[in-house]
Amino acid sequence: RKEVEQDPGPFNVPEGATVAFNCTYSNSASQSFFWYRQDCRKEPKLLMSVYSSGNEDGRFTAQLNRASQYISLLIRDSKLSDSATYLCVEGGGATNKLIFGTGTLLAVQP
Amino acid sequence: EAQVTQNPRYLITVTGKKLTVTCSQNMNHEYMSWYRQDPGLGLRQIYYSMNVEVTDKGDVPEGYKVSRKEKRNFPLILESPSPNQTSLYFCASSFSSRGNTEAFFGQGTRLTVV
Repeated sequence: RKEVEQDPGPFNVPEGATVAFNCTYSNSASQSFFWYRQDCRKEPKLLMSVYSSGNEDGRFTAQLNRASQYISLLIRDSKLSDSATYLCVEGGGATNKLIFGTGTLLAVQP
Repeated sequence: EAQVTQNPRYLITVTGKKLTVTCSQNMNHEYMSWYRQDPGLGLRQIYYSMNVEVTDKGDVPEGYKVSRKEKRNFPLILESPSPNQTSLYFCASSFSSRGNTEAFFGQGTRLTVV
């Protein structure tokens, strides 16, 4: 079983739609989780951290469910510019190793 | 501007010809690492460094070397490249080795070994 698993998609949604991605992780002791965004052939960039209490930043909401070992990302009112690959990331431990999921591709259609 | 700079951005080389990919950060970060990204496999860590002169293997270190003689630089060395090292490589840095700090990535190096 992979340490971090994501549905690769693609998720094709119309502009204005709400879309949600889930990601599961296998290490129940993990403390830090993130969502990174990666545009085609470019470097990943931090979108948001995921806290146990949830985290909202504008149209984006991230949630952590420790009991079921998954994290989620909700995007409301999708824009064309949201089209990208979204990487679920588990971080931490003594070596700050980031463990990446393979990413979920989102394509927002006009 | 705070950034991580990798060079070259694109490189085509032949099997066995030694090469170095440079990585430099201007944020005074302690922690630096190298990842490779392959379709269907995501980003995998090659090597990391928690500070000057402190380096260690990640998940896929075979065929690679690194050094950390200065805080800002963390070059990736392929002594004898092989075609299975064709990949997209990213250097990353973060403020500390704690797992809850943001990682900043370089723009990537697309390497092809023929």
